[in-house]
Amino acid sequence: GAVVSQHPSWVICKSGTSVKIECRSLDFQATTMFWYRQFPKQSLMLMATSNEGSKATYEQGVEKDKFLINHASLTLSTLTVTSAHPEDSSFYICSATHDSANYGYTFGSGTRLTVV
Amino acid sequence: AQSVTQPDIHITVSEGASLELRCNYSYGATPYLFWYVQSPGQGLQLLLKYFSGDTLVQGIKGFEAEFKRSQSSFNLRKPSVHWSDAAEYFCAVGATGGFKTIFGAGTRLFVKA
Repeated sequence: GAVVSQHPSWVICKSGTSVKIECRSLDFQATTMFWYRQFPKQSLMLMATSNEGSKATYEQGVEKDKFLINHASLTLSTLTVTSAHPEDSSFYICSATHDSANYGYTFGSGTRLTVV
Repeated sequence: AQSVTQPDIHITVSEGASLELRCNYSYGATPYLFWYVQSPGQGLQLLLKYFSGDTLVQGIKGFEAEFKRSQSSFNLRKPSVHWSDAAEYFCAVGATGGFKTIFGAGTRLFVKA
C-alpha cells in the first residue's frame, strides 16, 4: 500500500535556528501534499497545500515566510520552520496523495518539534 | 463552510463492550466522510470512508460507521472493544476547493480492563 515517510520523528532545536522536515512518498508519486500542525490534545490544523512544481497554498493565518514549503519532486515535500521560537513547538504531520479527487491520502508518522 | 463536530472529548469503555463515537458534520452537498485513528506520537491511520452508496461502511479493525443524512451524522461503532483500540479518533470531512480534509477535534478513547 501507499507509504509516506516523515523525517525526523522528533527534533529539538534552539530558538532562532531553522529546522527542515521531510515528507516522502515511498511507493507512489504524490501530486499533492498537505502539512498539518497539531497542538497537544487538539485536532489537526491544515497549514498548507503543496502541489509538485508550484507554490504552496497557505491557509489563512499561516506565515508563509516562516513555514517554507517546497515540493520539488513527486516524491518529496519539505517544511522548513525558519527562525524557530518556542511557540512553534508542535507536532507536524504531512499527508500525500496521488488521487486527491478521491481523497486517497496517506499520512506520515509526524514530527515532534521542540524549540528551546 | 464545512465543519465537523465530535461532541465527546473522551470516552471510557470496558474491554469487550460496544463502542459508538459520535460525529456530526456541516456540509452543503453530499459529503466525503472519514474516520481516522491516531496512537500517541503517531500519524493518522484511515479506518474507513464514505463517498456514496451503502450508508453503512465497513472499515479495518472491526469498525463500521453509518452515514445518516437526516441527522448529518457519521458515527463510528465497534461491537467489542479491545484494549489496543485505546487511541484518539478523528472524524473528518472532505472539503471542496482543493480537496482538503477538515478534521474534528477528536475523541480520546480509554479502555478499561
